[in-house]
Amino acid sequence: GAVVSQHPSRVICKSGTSVKIECRSLDFQATTMFWYRQFPKQSLMLMATSNEGSKATYEQGVEKDKFLINHASLTLSTLTVTSAHPEDSSFYICSASDNVYEQYFGPGTRLTVT
Amino acid sequence: QKEVEQDPGPLSVPEGAIVSLNCTYSNSAFQYFMWYRQYSRKGPELLMYTYSSGNKEDGRFTAQVDKSSKYISLFIRDSQPSDSATYLCAMCAGGGNKLTFGTGTQLKVEL
Repeated sequence: GAVVSQHPSRVICKSGTSVKIECRSLDFQATTMFWYRQFPKQSLMLMATSNEGSKATYEQGVEKDKFLINHASLTLSTLTVTSAHPEDSSFYICSASDNVYEQYFGPGTRLTVT
Repeated sequence: QKEVEQDPGPLSVPEGAIVSLNCTYSNSAFQYFMWYRQYSRKGPELLMYTYSSGNKEDGRFTAQVDKSSKYISLFIRDSQPSDSATYLCAMCAGGGNKLTFGTGTQLKVEL
């Protein structure tokens, strides 16, 4: 149980375009979903926390107009990187939680902006 | 000073060795402690979580928490090549379950 999927697993896009990443909890209802960014050989940096039906809470330094998060249902959250630039290239990972402390992570999405 | 400190390694051990991975933290509000394993280009996988000080065992893995010293450990017995991965410690204060991660320790178990 506790399976989280992400789609796509890998995406390459041109600078200036927008990219949407989906995160789904497949076998449980996630009251909270998290979006992280991870650079090579570095730890996970939390970008934002979202609760179903509410606006996402962004971490300091994360542009909410650039990284649009929608948590439309208890099993789906999306992250849209708008007007992507090469510096947005990274590994984006979502996680989902239905209790106080356990988070289950998706497999990640590798974004490359050319 | 980072809230959570973790030696990035890399740590290389022979197959069958006992591995000790550690994290220290500075925020006394942290109450829940987790260890994740992350294979290259994959999302982290929850290995163990603990709440109170003391030891928790699950198969070849033992998690240890010492709140008085703000120090947590993960021990891996009879290490296998398949244990080669990056191990991340994570912790949270409880409410809101926002996790703070260590930088991760890269482990390589060699034949």
